[in-house]
Amino acid sequence: DAGVTQSPTHLIKTRGQQVTLRCSPKSGHDTVSWYQQALGQGPQFIFQYYEEEERQRGNFPDRFSGHQFPNYSSELNVNALLLGDSALYLCASSLNGGVYGYTFGSGTRLTVV
Amino acid sequence: GQQVMQIPQYQHVQEGEDFTTYCNSSTTLSNIQWYKQRPGGHPVFLIQLVKSGEVKKQKRLTFQFGEAKKNSSLHITATQTTDVGTYFCAGPYLSSNTGKLIFGQGTTLQVKP
Repeated sequence: DAGVTQSPTHLIKTRGQQVTLRCSPKSGHDTVSWYQQALGQGPQFIFQYYEEEERQRGNFPDRFSGHQFPNYSSELNVNALLLGDSALYLCASSLNGGVYGYTFGSGTRLTVV
Repeated sequence: GQQVMQIPQYQHVQEGEDFTTYCNSSTTLSNIQWYKQRPGGHPVFLIQLVKSGEVKKQKRLTFQFGEAKKNSSLHITATQTTDVGTYFCAGPYLSSNTGKLIFGQGTTLQVKP
């Protein structure tokens, strides 16, 4: 049990569609980060949310957006899907911005066809 | 931009042999974190090193942080089949203590029984 819950586990979407991925952080954690992991690569930082605000952002286009709710859960939205968006999307929660490491969820495997 | 590089990319060992993966950052890091990802799984936090020259042990795993805080290593003594997976190092972006982590591309370890 990772402590971080992500849904759905797998998703197939058509190019041009929009997708929403969800994450519930580990109990007690207040910060949620999203990462994209392509096959055979390390995770790439998308953005981080803390106190319902986007605190930091990686090199991803505006098609990628997110939200954090008062209960610390978070959503990742991707608009106008491209084939290259196919990847494992990982949510990582932490306390105090990750000073003590991150707890990753099992991820959502997104396939864009 | 800031980069974290790992070598080797792959390592195949016989069970009982030792294994080492090396991590090098293009910039000085405030800390370095290590994660393990089993095949089909998600990254799991192993350890964080903060001090220059720090050495930490977890059973058969030994982690080192270089004196210049730009490199690190993970050494596994007497590998077991349970050690199979990809080992990632990750450092904070621009040496900040919060937010974005830059991951290496990982070292995938295969252990032959």
